[in-house]
Amino acid sequence: RKEVEQDPGPFNVPEGATVAFNCTYSNSASQSFFWYRQDCRKEPKLLMSVYSSGNEDGRFTAQLNRASQYISLLIRDSKLSDSATYLCVVRSFNQGGKLIFGQGTELSVKP
Amino acid sequence: EAGVTQFPSHSVIEKGQTVTLRCDPISGHDNLYWYRRVMGKEIKFLLHFVKESKQDESGMPNNRFLAERTGGTYSTLKVQPAELEDSGVYFCASSRLGTDTYNEQFFGPGTRLTVL
Repeated sequence: RKEVEQDPGPFNVPEGATVAFNCTYSNSASQSFFWYRQDCRKEPKLLMSVYSSGNEDGRFTAQLNRASQYISLLIRDSKLSDSATYLCVVRSFNQGGKLIFGQGTELSVKP
Repeated sequence: EAGVTQFPSHSVIEKGQTVTLRCDPISGHDNLYWYRRVMGKEIKFLLHFVKESKQDESGMPNNRFLAERTGGTYSTLKVQPAELEDSGVYFCASSRLGTDTYNEQFFGPGTRLTVL
């Protein structure tokens, strides 16, 4: 079983749609949680950290459920520029701070 | 502030040859990580340096891979001899050293390695 599992995707949505990505992680010692964005043939870039109380950054809302070991990302009012692969990432400090990546979910926002 | 840089951006070699990848972290970042993404798979951790010391090399696939970070600045990752399954994108990331629960890892653009 993969340590971090994501919706397989791809997600094809029209502009303005709301889209939700889900992710589960298997290591209960995971302490930090992130969503990264990766554009085609580019490096991953941090989109947002995910906090226990949930957090929002503009059109993006991240939620964490430690009991269920579940992370989500909600994108409201999708823009064409949101098209990318979204990577669910966890980190455990008993593993030296290395990042554990999900396989990623591809999002394509169409006009 | 300059970001993480990697060289070369692309490398195409034949099976059995040697390739050396280089990573220059952000100045002042003591943590340096190597990751790899092979086709169709998730990005996977290879190893972690703190300054010049290997902190964790649990992700290194086998002894054909050798990473160094002499002087605690740039790092090299050598693959010798390269095999077909080594093809993929090799990312380097760096972060500050600290006791914060979170120090963002900044990624370089990656080196795309193709072994023929």
